Amino acid sequence: EIVMTQSPATLSVSPGERATLSCRASQSVSSNLAWYQQKPGQAPRLLIYGASSRATGIPARFSGSGSGTEFTLTISSLQSEDFAVYYCQQYNYWPPLTFGGGTKVEIK
Amino acid sequence: EVQLVETGGGLIQPGGSLRLSCAASGFTVSSNYMSWVRQAPGKGLVWVSIIYSSGNTYYADSVKGRFTISRDTSKNTLYLQMNSLRAEDTAVYYCASEADNWTPLGAFDIWGQGTMVTVSS
Repeated sequence: EIVMTQSPATLSVSPGERATLSCRASQSVSSNLAWYQQKPGQAPRLLIYGASSRATGIPARFSGSGSGTEFTLTISSLQSEDFAVYYCQQYNYWPPLTFGGGTKVEIK
Repeated sequence: EVQLVETGGGLIQPGGSLRLSCAASGFTVSSNYMSWVRQAPGKGLVWVSIIYSSGNTYYADSVKGRFTISRDTSKNTLYLQMNSLRAEDTAVYYCASEADNWTPLGAFDIWGQGTMVTVSS
């Protein structure tokens, strides 16, 4: 099973600032990596797939990069609606599909 | 509109059984890979099970032998039969799939609203 590790657990950022979230895989997952956003009481929403492709309707301030074992999600200028929990997920070797533990982006 | 709606959650005693349903609209469950993902209170996302369009099924080790995923094409509905429930199965259960042609298999661009399962005496 591929273990996904996200850091930091919590990120405190001021509105308008850049946020950089990290995700590491225990072995290479190529570019088969997705990022999700989840707000309290809501289902997750797909942001990024293929490590760097934005899903339909996702604003350009969200970008993903990386391949192999190291990945980054960048939010270029945080808006109020971006404060949420973010999860990475690998879909290279499955089953099982595996998620990271999440990074909470909170208002500084 | 592409949509998933889960039902069937509730309070159940340890050792009991429950069946979750996930009704799909806007796409055909038998044509997609359909998964169940759960989230314990205050915790992260955990994949539970998947059924391929071919009908092949797979499970997380934690539920193997206790949970069964299935689908009813006539009702366009996905199911999760959960037996021998334990306290650690307490979670919100989501069904999820890929609806957009661009979304790769294994990633989820459509999720239901979730249904809460509480296993407690």
